[in-house]
Parts: sequence; structure tokens; C-alpha cells
Amino acid sequence: SSEVTQDPAVSVALGQTVRITCQGDGLTTYYASWYQQKPGQAPLLVIYGKNNRPSGIPDRFSGSSSGNTASLTITGAQAEDEADYYCNSRGSSGNYMVFGGGTKLTVL
Amino acid sequence: QLQLQESGPGLVKPLETLSLTCTVSGGSISSSSYYWGWIRQPPGKGLEWIGSIHYTGNSYYNPSLKSRLTISVDTPKNQFSLKLSSVTAADTAVYYCAREEGVHEHRIDDWGQGTLVTVSS
Repeated sequence: SSEVTQDPAVSVALGQTVRITCQGDGLTTYYASWYQQKPGQAPLLVIYGKNNRPSGIPDRFSGSSSGNTASLTITGAQAEDEADYYCNSRGSSGNYMVFGGGTKLTVL
Repeated sequence: QLQLQESGPGLVKPLETLSLTCTVSGGSISSSSYYWGWIRQPPGKGLEWIGSIHYTGNSYYNPSLKSRLTISVDTPKNQFSLKLSSVTAADTAVYYCAREEGVHEHRIDDWGQGTLVTVSS
């Protein structure tokens, strides 16, 4: 079983807000990072740290964290946001990284 | 603009060693700020972090792969490499090389395009 868990699938109506969550013991000490992956493409970093967006990532993407749970929020989801989203954090011992199982986001 | 490019055989026989190289261009692998890593994704499945290495040779590995895994760095060639021994069909995946940064705010901020490696006789 994965050290970092995510819901397998989430859906959101176009223009609405959706939160994708990730749980793991390492998240009590370290921040998560979040990756968007569309079919046939390499993953793309969308959020890291407390709430940092790389250049070029729309500001509708935001991140937060509480206890052992990290969240990625998309405020005003667009059709192009439909993708798989993965969180990544340190494992429980801190000396390796681990991905969550991924969340498939459907924009209705 | 940093670019990472994976190279290596696309087909490996069971029980043999999978070897891949990542060539970094547009930046130096000898930067103290970064680790250089490998991630894989079996067809239709999720991402799995394999391990990463600093240009000084300091490395850390996925515990589930550690016994079969070697990651090395070649600073003059601006390359780093992955060797995974005793492969099985379960090691069939797209393998990505990538740049990692940060400790408490760790992120993987640049990725190669990925290369499919199939384990089959």
C-alpha cells in the first residue's frame, strides 16, 4: 500500500471549485508538491511548498496543508484542467520520495 | 532552457539489467542546488519515484528498489544514469529523468519526455 493516499477520481462542473487531497505521515513534516499529467505527456509541476506556483501556472491553482493532509484546489476549473493529478512527498523516514496513487479529474 | 533526454534500450530481457542515461543540456549538472532523479510509470498506472543523485555522488533510493538499483553521475558528460538489475515484467514502464530541488519545499521541476522500456524475452 502507498504511503501517500489520494482519491482515485474526482469530478467538477465547469467553472466550479474542486479540491484534491493527499494524505501521508510525511506531510506532517514536509510539504507536498503537485503534478498534472495529461495523456501521453510528462508530468507538469503545478504547486510546491506552502503554496508556490511555477511560472506559467494559472493562479486558479493553489495549495494548502493541514496535519497529514495536503490539498490542491482549482478555483474555477476549466476544460483543460481535466487530467491526472499526483502529489509527491517524503516518505515516513524522510530519506526518500513517494507519489500518491493519482487522482483522475473530470471536468463536466 | 533546461532539457533532459533519456536514452537506452527499449527492450530488455527478464533477469537482465536495465540501463538508461539522461543527458542534461541548457544547464550544468554540477549545481549544488539540484538532485537528478528517475521516475517511472507502468502503462496505465501511476508514478513511482525511483531515486536521485547529487553531482557529489550523494544519492537516495526508493527502499523497494534499493537492492537492485544503482544511480550514478558523470559530470564531464553532464549525464546521469540508472541501472536496475534482475528485471521482470513488472519493471516495464515509461522511465522519466528529472531535476529535483528543495528539501522541505521539494519539487521535481523539469522532466524528460520519457522513454518506454519493455521487459520481455
